[in-house]
Amino acid sequence: GQNIDQPTEMTATEGAIVQINCTYQTSGFNGLFWYQQHAGEAPTFLSYNVLDGLEEKGRFSSFLSRSKGYSYLLLKELQMKDSASYLCATMDSNYQLIWGAGTKLIIKP
Amino acid sequence: ETGVTQTPRHLVMGMTNKKSLKCEQHLGHNAMYWYKQSAKKPLELMFVYNFKEQTENNSVPSRFSPECPNSSHLFLHLHTLQPEDSALYLCASSQDIGTPAGELFFGEGSRLTVL
Repeated sequence: GQNIDQPTEMTATEGAIVQINCTYQTSGFNGLFWYQQHAGEAPTFLSYNVLDGLEEKGRFSSFLSRSKGYSYLLLKELQMKDSASYLCATMDSNYQLIWGAGTKLIIKP
Repeated sequence: ETGVTQTPRHLVMGMTNKKSLKCEQHLGHNAMYWYKQSAKKPLELMFVYNFKEQTENNSVPSRFSPECPNSSHLFLHLHTLQPEDSALYLCASSQDIGTPAGELFFGEGSRLTVL
């Protein structure tokens, strides 16, 4: 079957670094997405990885290992506004998005 | 502002009511989606429209009825809902379907409570 696993909740300190992991099992693979969703707001696109390796975009980086079915989102220099849910999703061979349940990230001063 | 607008933002309805959710996108996209988001659960894809034609119906109960009059507007008609249908309903659009790296643009959702 198809499955995405990510931690339910994480806590980190302002100014620190946090890594949110995502493991997946899907029928075929056409890339992995990370979205950010603040409470009461729309999910917004953060990153897309289809090849192995690290993609850096400002304070956020996303890593993919296709052989391990594994990705992580790395957030550096955490700010209070980074408190949000982070959704991992893979695109299967039919170009359907398979979603994880999301990781709620709590940033403390 | 994502370019996708949903109304109403909040809706409370009884199990015998009929109501509709509306979604409008100003991005010139060809594909539109309805998702259901429940607490601590993955997003559930409900319906997909591409160029106004329904391409996906993920075993959604008939008490949910979608309508897509044109590529910019999408409705979800609700009738005789159950309390377990209470959730956040998200509309999204994308340039096309079946495109790798084609990101979704979401609306802020309609929070539905069924009493």
